[in-house]
Amino acid sequence: EVQLVESGGGLVQPGGSLRLSCAASGFTFSSYWMSWVRQAPGKGLEWVANIKQDGSEKYYVDSVKGRFTISRDNAKNSLYLQMNSLRAEDTAVYYCARRRAGTTFVDYWGQGTLVTVSS
Amino acid sequence: SYVLTQPPSVSVAPGQTARITCGGNNIGSKSVHWYQQKPGQAPVLVVYDDSDRPSGIPERFSGSNSGNTATLTISRVEAGDEADYYCQVWDSSSDHLVVFGGGTKLTVL
Repeated sequence: EVQLVESGGGLVQPGGSLRLSCAASGFTFSSYWMSWVRQAPGKGLEWVANIKQDGSEKYYVDSVKGRFTISRDNAKNSLYLQMNSLRAEDTAVYYCARRRAGTTFVDYWGQGTLVTVSS
Repeated sequence: SYVLTQPPSVSVAPGQTARITCGGNNIGSKSVHWYQQKPGQAPVLVVYDDSDRPSGIPERFSGSNSGNTATLTISRVEAGDEADYYCQVWDSSSDHLVVFGGGTKLTVL
């Protein structure tokens, strides 16, 4: 069974940092593009970042470029999102998501972890 | 960057047909995917590649895509279909590789 379990969310002050983790199981992690998608309270889905299977390609939404870094450790079946210089508008539930191989859609989502940026 | 436009809300009576649109420039040339999200839950894929259904998704859910509009159609709507629905495309023409529509709240009257 495919499972994606996020952790690392919490309350952080503006300008602070947080590192999110996503533990993957039930599939060959190293064979899939992975993504982070977020959802601000009461708002829609917003794609944040993508990373290729071997980590050689990374893409970000403009609003997080230079502040967030997506990475992965295939040996540990884990995906990460390092978030620096956090702003109030980064407050959201952050979902770890798997892109089905050879396609352009997400076939599995984690349950999400809440990040709150507030003083 | 590529923009997808959805109506904020759609209302339909039980047993009727709901149609949720997703507008984008020449969206018919792209593969469109649809997700259902219920309160407090992660999204669930209901239609992919314009009109295909994942296993476990009822045949009542169908999709189409042509010109500048993609449409998710839900036939014989049930109370359990009440949710937010999001369209999504992969925009390889820019660094914004994954684009979501703003979402549509489906209300079952």
